[in-house]
Amino acid sequence: QPVLTQPPSASGTPGQRVTISCSGDNSNVGTNTVNWYQHYPGTAPKLLIYTNDQRPSGVPDRFSGSKSGTTATLAISGLLSEDEADYYCAAWEDSLDGYVLFGGGTKLTVL
Amino acid sequence: QVQLQESGPGLMQPSETLSLTCIVSGGSISGYYWTWIRHSPGTGLEWIGYISYNGASKYNPSLRSRVTLSVNTSKNQFSLKLSSVTAADTAVYYCAKMQFGDLSAFDYWGQGTPVTVSS
Repeated sequence: QPVLTQPPSASGTPGQRVTISCSGDNSNVGTNTVNWYQHYPGTAPKLLIYTNDQRPSGVPDRFSGSKSGTTATLAISGLLSEDEADYYCAAWEDSLDGYVLFGGGTKLTVL
Repeated sequence: QVQLQESGPGLMQPSETLSLTCIVSGGSISGYYWTWIRHSPGTGLEWIGYISYNGASKYNPSLRSRVTLSVNTSKNQFSLKLSSVTAADTAVYYCAKMQFGDLSAFDYWGQGTPVTVSS
């Protein structure tokens, strides 16, 4: 069963740079684009990064995405307390007629 | 600005069929793909499936046997039916619009509707 693996937690202090990884395989991350979502509990998730490294209008440039092989990475620089949220990666999975895979999510804590 | 609004039953009994509807406003449902996603604290985000404006669909393999998606372009809405629900289907259900050209990019979301399955 294909999975996208994210660390369950990450943390940093205000102003720091933190990275969150999303590891898959050649049937998902390796061949398809990766998208990232920011989710505050009780609200709708928000598209943060699309097509590996593109920011939607209104997303600060403190957020950036990259992909190399079967691993994608979300980077947040100049960490703010408001960045404390859950972050999910997502990618299309080619097996079993195709479907969307989400990573397990990473809870970011701003210390 | 596209807006989405889910409506659903809230509380259900095990073995019942969940029916949810998502009304799209501020834009036409035509030309795009529309999706359902759910979130539970223990599982995180889980993709349920998509339906296109012309009725093409794909489902999560883990739910495929129980899910049916449909679209009503005249009412600018789409719907989800999930049969034989259990406590494991307790979650907040979101409808969302798929960004053109990227099947895992969802750029507009409803606010979510909570569904609890309990006897």
